[in-house]
Amino acid sequence: AQSVTQPDIHITVSEGASLELRCNYSYGATPYLFWYVQSPGQGLQLLLKYFSGDTLVQGIKGFEAEFKRSQSSFNLRKPSVHWSDAAEYFCAVGAGSGYALNFGKGTSLLVTP
Amino acid sequence: ETGVTQTPRHLVMGMTNKKSLKCEQHLGHNAMYWYKQSAKKPLELMFVYSLEERVENNSVPSRFSPECPNSSHLFLHLHTLQPEDSALYLCASSQDLRGTLAKNIQYFGAGTRLSVL
Repeated sequence: AQSVTQPDIHITVSEGASLELRCNYSYGATPYLFWYVQSPGQGLQLLLKYFSGDTLVQGIKGFEAEFKRSQSSFNLRKPSVHWSDAAEYFCAVGAGSGYALNFGKGTSLLVTP
Repeated sequence: ETGVTQTPRHLVMGMTNKKSLKCEQHLGHNAMYWYKQSAKKPLELMFVYSLEERVENNSVPSRFSPECPNSSHLFLHLHTLQPEDSALYLCASSQDLRGTLAKNIQYFGAGTRLSVL
């Protein structure tokens, strides 16, 4: 069965600084990977997804993620963080033709002035 | 506006009450899901419906009873809940359950914050 680990529970970055959120997955075949963001009091919004092809995927709000099979990782990056990026970020993995997603526990991002 | 609307946004209920959570999707999707989000735990998939037919029930206690009268509406009926059931309940929808991966992408509502006293 597939699983997801987000090693960082909390991350604090200064506004304008770069950001990298880590995600490691466990799955025997090619996974399907997602990053979602949850702002306070809101549901989950899809930031980006990886199904196949180019390992660097672009998402909304200036985010990108890179799939590295050798490291079983799908880290989320943003070159310059804005205060509005403060939120909870979830990595999720799907497999095969199924619909079930396994979510990580999330990383809470705090942005300081 | 995400296309998936959940009501109410907040709910406080006693352990002997009966209440219902409602989810409506305006995306023309055929599949709908209920998730439970508890603090510091991964999202837990509770129920999945495809074309109004339940396709998954992840060992959820019977005090949670889902209903899907049509592909646009999903309910979660609650009765005799326990304090540990307090959580954020999220509804999601996807175009389909099978087929191309793009059809499986899930879109979430804002959730109902449930507190059981």
